[in-house]
Amino acid sequence: SQKIEQNSEALNIQEGKTATLTCNYTNYSPAYLQWYRQDPGRGPVFLLLIRENEKEKRKERLKVTFDTTLKQSLFHITASQPADSATYLCEISSGSARQLTFGSGTQLTVLP
Amino acid sequence: IAGITQAPTSQILAAGRRMTLRCTQDMRHNAMYWYRQDLGLGLRLIHYSNTAGTTGKGEVPDGYSVSRANTDDFPLTLASAVPSQTSVYFCASSEGQGIGEQFFGPGTRLTVL
Repeated sequence: SQKIEQNSEALNIQEGKTATLTCNYTNYSPAYLQWYRQDPGRGPVFLLLIRENEKEKRKERLKVTFDTTLKQSLFHITASQPADSATYLCEISSGSARQLTFGSGTQLTVLP
Repeated sequence: IAGITQAPTSQILAAGRRMTLRCTQDMRHNAMYWYRQDLGLGLRLIHYSNTAGTTGKGEVPDGYSVSRANTDDFPLTLASAVPSQTSVYFCASSEGQGIGEQFFGPGTRLTVL
């Protein structure tokens, strides 16, 4: 069955630095990959979607890459701020609802 | 109503009792989903519905049932709750079927004793 792993449970970085989060998957060929942000006690909020034929996607301070050869996505937050502190989730899908799979998330803390 | 609402916000339930978690969306999205979130395991799909009148099983469907009588509502029922169903439950919807941005509700925290 497909498996998805996010690099670490927790990541601490200094304000102003670039945070890089990793999402690896196995036994799967997703059509697209998405990143969500989740704050404590709340539901996830969509950030970015990248398709299998796209190498990179940007939105303001966010950048996502998708390497189907390495079976990996990298999520970058540049010029990080304490307000970026949250848990970030990646999700993969083939386009079928039945195969939606989330990673367990990485908790990012940006220190002032 | 704006987006997705879930009820109740939290519930403590005795094992063996029946419980229905409610979910309503006002975005006229075709697809709806139920997930459970447990510490260290992330979000796991329980059931989904691609459109009104249809439902499907996700990764962890056992002990749960759903119905989709109309576009807006997607209730999740635990017929006979067990302690392992203690979790936070999230409902979500999307315009596409298994594709694209999902909008999540605020969640229901369920404790089964």
